[in-house]
Amino acid sequence: EAGVAQSPRYKIIEKRQSVAFWCNPISGHATLYWYQQILGQGPKLLIQFQNNGVVDDSQLPKDRFSAERLKGVDSTLKIQPAKLEDSAVYLCASSPTLAEQYFGPGTRLTVT
Amino acid sequence: KQEVTQIPAALSVPEGENLVLNCSFTDSAIYNLQWFRQDPGKGLTSLLLIQSSQREQTSGRLNASLDKSSGRSTLYIAASQPGDSATYLCAVSTNAGKSTFGDGTTLTVKP
Repeated sequence: EAGVAQSPRYKIIEKRQSVAFWCNPISGHATLYWYQQILGQGPKLLIQFQNNGVVDDSQLPKDRFSAERLKGVDSTLKIQPAKLEDSAVYLCASSPTLAEQYFGPGTRLTVT
Repeated sequence: KQEVTQIPAALSVPEGENLVLNCSFTDSAIYNLQWFRQDPGKGLTSLLLIQSSQREQTSGRLNASLDKSSGRSTLYIAASQPGDSATYLCAVSTNAGKSTFGDGTTLTVKP
């Protein structure tokens, strides 16, 4: 079974630029999560999708972050414009409903 | 608001020791608790999932317990090996699937 795929693995941008991350979950997993992990901290939930609907986006900075899940499968997370404090690893995870989460390798973003 | 705390933040032990990692949470209304391992520069690997109705789960040298009423979970690692060196994270989830993570315990097992 293929795991959760993410791209790119690394991205370096200047502040005020925009960036997009892509996630392909495990086939058949209804729930998809995006997390932000700052160095030395645990992952913080940004947004949770159930199929193609948003379940929770209470911690998503909506003035600069946006996310969508296309046809209930792939998802993209966008930051526009980026700030220095957005430097982090962005993790995507998927799960069957209310079950074990499986994580992708993450995208390491550096904002200079 | 759920808060998850993991103590200690870092732990160093000699190879072969048995050890316990701790996880505490403030809201006992959880659906499940999951322990993860994270190697440097990598994503999270699931180790054990405990449903709220369960008391413990075992996989190989790992045993995780859950005391929902007191808001605590422990991860027991038997006969530690250098390959066990990593950061261990716990996460609690609600019945809507929303997860809250601790900041992890970084374990170093010395040969």
